[in-house]
Amino acid sequence: NAGVTQTPKFQVLKTGQSMTLQCAQDMNHNSMYWYRQDPGMGLRLIYYSASEGTTDKGEVPNGYNVSRLNKREFSLRLESAAPSQTSVYFCASSEDARGAQSTEAFFGQGTRLTVV
Amino acid sequence: EDKVVQSPLSLVVHEGDTVTLNCSYEVTNFRSLLWYKQEKKAPTFLFMLTSSGIEKKSGRLSSILDKKELFSILNITATQTGDSAVYLCASYGQNFVFGPGTRLSVLP
Repeated sequence: NAGVTQTPKFQVLKTGQSMTLQCAQDMNHNSMYWYRQDPGMGLRLIYYSASEGTTDKGEVPNGYNVSRLNKREFSLRLESAAPSQTSVYFCASSEDARGAQSTEAFFGQGTRLTVV
Repeated sequence: EDKVVQSPLSLVVHEGDTVTLNCSYEVTNFRSLLWYKQEKKAPTFLFMLTSSGIEKKSGRLSSILDKKELFSILNITATQTGDSAVYLCASYGQNFVFGPGTRLSVLP
């Protein structure tokens, strides 16, 4: 099984350009997440989607938009890239744990984005 | 706001040493505490803890949760150079909240 697949793996943008990071999972998970990782700061949640058709802001949503296209796919869009958005982006998914005790997050391999 | 704190942030040891990594959390509607290992790419899952006082073990790694004091520890015994990585602690309530990680370097 592929698990969580992110594209692209690497991207260089100029300030002001836009782009969409794609994420797809084949584990039939309801919940999906986008994180960014910067040195010394762990993983910070940008947006998450608890189920198809719903999205919620995380800790650092400014400058980003998301779309939960269907149950499998959750995309992250940068409308006007800024150097502060240079980071490694991870998509993750998990089972719908509502009412259940807990679940594990499965991660994609990451996208290294540089904005110059 | 949910928060996860890890200490130390960085640790350098020699092969054969035993290390203890710390994680404390403040989480609304806490359900579990997770540990991940991150080398160069995506985090890989190590442990999930939901009950206090029950130790989870996998080879030389073990972890325990204290829900009363809101912390967890990850122990690694007889460290090897392959244990060098960033170890991430995460709480799960409404979603996953990660700490900053502990960067462990194991020298030969």
